[in-house]
Amino acid sequence: EDKVVQSPLSLVVHEGDTVTLNCSYEVTNFRSLLWYKQEKKAPTFLFMLTSSGIEKKSGRLSSILDKKELFSILNITATQTGDSAVYLCAAATGANSKLTFGKGITLSVRP
Amino acid sequence: DVKVTQSSRYLVKRTGEKVFLECVQDMDHENMFWYRQDPGLGLRLIYFSYDVKMKEKGDIPEGYSVSREKKERFSLILESASTNQTSMYLCASGSDSNQPQHFGDGTRLSIL
Repeated sequence: EDKVVQSPLSLVVHEGDTVTLNCSYEVTNFRSLLWYKQEKKAPTFLFMLTSSGIEKKSGRLSSILDKKELFSILNITATQTGDSAVYLCAAATGANSKLTFGKGITLSVRP
Repeated sequence: DVKVTQSSRYLVKRTGEKVFLECVQDMDHENMFWYRQDPGLGLRLIYFSYDVKMKEKGDIPEGYSVSREKKERFSLILESASTNQTSMYLCASGSDSNQPQHFGDGTRLSIL
């Protein structure tokens, strides 16, 4: 059975802090690892990682994949209150890139 | 921009009713997916479709069926709604394995 585990499940930080969100996976026929941010509505896409060791960056957010150790991290530097959300990690598998999600990490950024 | 539209944001139905949730995407994507999202359980795949009239079961298909008569539209059907199907339902679409799935805003369904 495919499995994705995220940690911690929730996190409270202050504005300006740096946070690291973790995602490990055990799946068959792995294709890619995806990160999404979910506020009140639809999960919005952040990153898609297919190769080990190559950091993807978007503003204050960055992410990297380790295919040997089967994990990924999402880093957020200089956090802002607008970063408060649930962060979802998913492993894409098979020809149709079926996604298996972790339970999500709830991040709260206090002013 | 990809747009995935779900027909209702909120829906209240009664136990035993047949319920239809509709999803439309405007990007000519081959793949479409239905998930449900519950506190403490995350998103779980119910069904997906990789072509018109094609469907495959996801991880929790029991109590659900789907229909894909046109490429842009994917319907989730609760044949006889039960209270344990109260949940947030999310539809997604994607083109191929090198592109991410894009999600609709979700339908919060309550079964009374």
